[in-house]
Amino acid sequence: QQPVQSPQAVILREGEDAVINCSSSKALYSVHWYRQKHGEAPVFLMILLKGGEQKGHDKISASFNEKKQQSSLYLTASQLSYSGTYFCGTVRSNFGNEKLTFGTGTRLTIIP
Amino acid sequence: KAGVTQTPRYLIKTRGQQVTLSCSPISGHRSVSWYQQTPGQGLQFLFEYFSETQRNKGNFPGRFSGRQFSNSRSEMNVSTLELGDSALYLCASSLALAGGLHNEQFFGPGTRLTVL
Repeated sequence: QQPVQSPQAVILREGEDAVINCSSSKALYSVHWYRQKHGEAPVFLMILLKGGEQKGHDKISASFNEKKQQSSLYLTASQLSYSGTYFCGTVRSNFGNEKLTFGTGTRLTIIP
Repeated sequence: KAGVTQTPRYLIKTRGQQVTLSCSPISGHRSVSWYQQTPGQGLQFLFEYFSETQRNKGNFPGRFSGRQFSNSRSEMNVSTLELGDSALYLCASSLALAGGLHNEQFFGPGTRLTVL
């Protein structure tokens, strides 16, 4: 089952904050976040494992609420370089044969 | 360390033909996953190989197949091409261990397949 991302697209001015949500109808073991710039390959941002931890680096952080099967990506004081499409990916268990299923993405545009 | 490489980068085929795409993972990575990317559909999982074994397969018809060699290089094959197969095909490698895909995936630049 593909996770659902919201919003589908968002436009921000430089310096504004953004939140991207990712939800699943199934229990999750891990949530992955990637960013893809136009014409480039997706690049890893972070992984959150079951346990409700929050992670972050620089001004990008994420949380994982395993009870609600939801994850949120927080971008604070956005920079022009944050523009791109953000994908969340989910893995349902710790078994070796579980696949990483991505959402349809959230397109983030930062304008000066 | 060299990144993930994919060949060819661009491919134009006609309906009914078959195609083979190649992916060379980062040295030491034993897991290779394949994804199809089309506008509006995001990244659709095709399959994942770990140590030459297919560990998982997405919801694609049997025309899509793959394999992994002992050096971890992987190929995917699409037979009897259809117009709807036009897409960017991405492969990703990771240090994924037997416990599954809980590590960072490194994506290659992709192969852009156009079916006419």
